[in-house]
Amino acid sequence: AQKITQTQPGMFVQEKEAVTLDCTYDTSDPSYGLFWYKQPSSGEMIFLIYQGSYDQQNATEGRYSLNFQKARKSANLVISASQLGDSAMYFCAMREPTGNQFYFGTGTSLTVIP
Amino acid sequence: NAGVMQNPRHLVRRRGQEARLRCSPMKGHSHVYWYRQLPEEGLKFMVYLQKENIIDESGMPKERFSAEFPKEGPSILRIQQVVRGDSAAYFCASSPGQASTGELFFGEGSRLTVL
Repeated sequence: AQKITQTQPGMFVQEKEAVTLDCTYDTSDPSYGLFWYKQPSSGEMIFLIYQGSYDQQNATEGRYSLNFQKARKSANLVISASQLGDSAMYFCAMREPTGNQFYFGTGTSLTVIP
Repeated sequence: NAGVMQNPRHLVRRRGQEARLRCSPMKGHSHVYWYRQLPEEGLKFMVYLQKENIIDESGMPKERFSAEFPKEGPSILRIQQVVRGDSAAYFCASSPGQASTGELFFGEGSRLTVL
């Protein structure tokens, strides 16, 4: 089974609008971390936001927020007030403490339309 | 305040040649991870190293691929006798300790093209 599933290969959003990028995960470990990374066309991986499995509040970082629904095993990324510079690939990732690796989804390509 | 440094950024090799990719972790980080990203795909774990030790190489192909992180110097990912299917972006990431809660800090990647 896939550890991380991102079902939206591509998304479009109008500038200044909000957009939600979906991510579901699969783990039987009660303790885990969830991450979102941005990969612009230049190729680097930029950390955006983190959510711990025991965190009571949804994580927020500026215009990024993580809609964490533990029972549904979903960790959707919400980007508010989209900007042209938000156009990039977005990867959801999970870390289990029992392992040594991050599991990445296949990514969502976001295009912000002026 | 240098981040994770990878070189070369781009590498072209012919089939059968060797590719060496280098990674210098962030200052103070002693844990290094290598990931491979095939075109149009996400990142796949290859290997996790600490200084002078390979901790987890469950994602490494059994043949032709090796990795090291010596006491002095950068971590090296070595691919012998490259084939076209090795063409990919190879990312190195580092963390100060086991990344049980913190994020991994990624380099800009090394893009290998095998002709």
